[in-house]
Amino acid sequence: DQQVKQNSPSLSVQEGRISILNCDYTNSMFDYFLWYKKYPAEGPTFLISISSIKDKNEDGRFTVFLNKSAKHLSLHIVPSQPGDSAVYFCAASGANFGNEKLTFGTGTRLTIIP
Amino acid sequence: EPEVTQTPSHQVTQMGQEVILRCVPISNHLYFYWYRQILGQKVEFLVSFYNNEISEKSEIFDDQFSVERPDGSNFTLKIRSTKLEDSAMYFCASSPRGTNYGYTFGSGTRLTVV
Repeated sequence: DQQVKQNSPSLSVQEGRISILNCDYTNSMFDYFLWYKKYPAEGPTFLISISSIKDKNEDGRFTVFLNKSAKHLSLHIVPSQPGDSAVYFCAASGANFGNEKLTFGTGTRLTIIP
Repeated sequence: EPEVTQTPSHQVTQMGQEVILRCVPISNHLYFYWYRQILGQKVEFLVSFYNNEISEKSEIFDDQFSVERPDGSNFTLKIRSTKLEDSAMYFCASSPRGTNYGYTFGSGTRLTVV
């Protein structure tokens, strides 16, 4: 039951260009969406999140866009830097009443080419 | 920067043996979680813990699994009788006030059941 899907297992982008990572979800009860970044042998690191009442959230080089009607979100990284090379996970949760669990996608491996 | 600490980083155990994975969450966090990632698969929720009791658990978290917060700092995951399919990376996470503040994950314990 893949409630959160990342259909691109990998993506290569030239340094300095924009990286766009995509995520689709099926559960309309999801209320909060998050992006995590993961390096090998480390745990996921929280990057940015967005509530379902918004359609955009920006933090420095990272912007997350949410299209609720399409059940689609995307993470934009601009400009892309070599240190951005990692696996990126999209995650979703229900309305936050304290400690809703996260449902993760399968991840997209981003490679930034110098 | 505060971090979640997990020990050991790698544990090899024989099938049928009990293992205890240990975690020290961030000191002022209130919500604690265990997730796992089988090689090549997505990160999956196991259990959440708040106010000294389990808040939610997944289908994976059957009677073989238990969690405990034995003192004010440690948070443990016990697997009573390990199976081959329990081999995975196990991630502990903590959060100050729930999902949408973005968990902090530990670096994980790689459990190998032989």
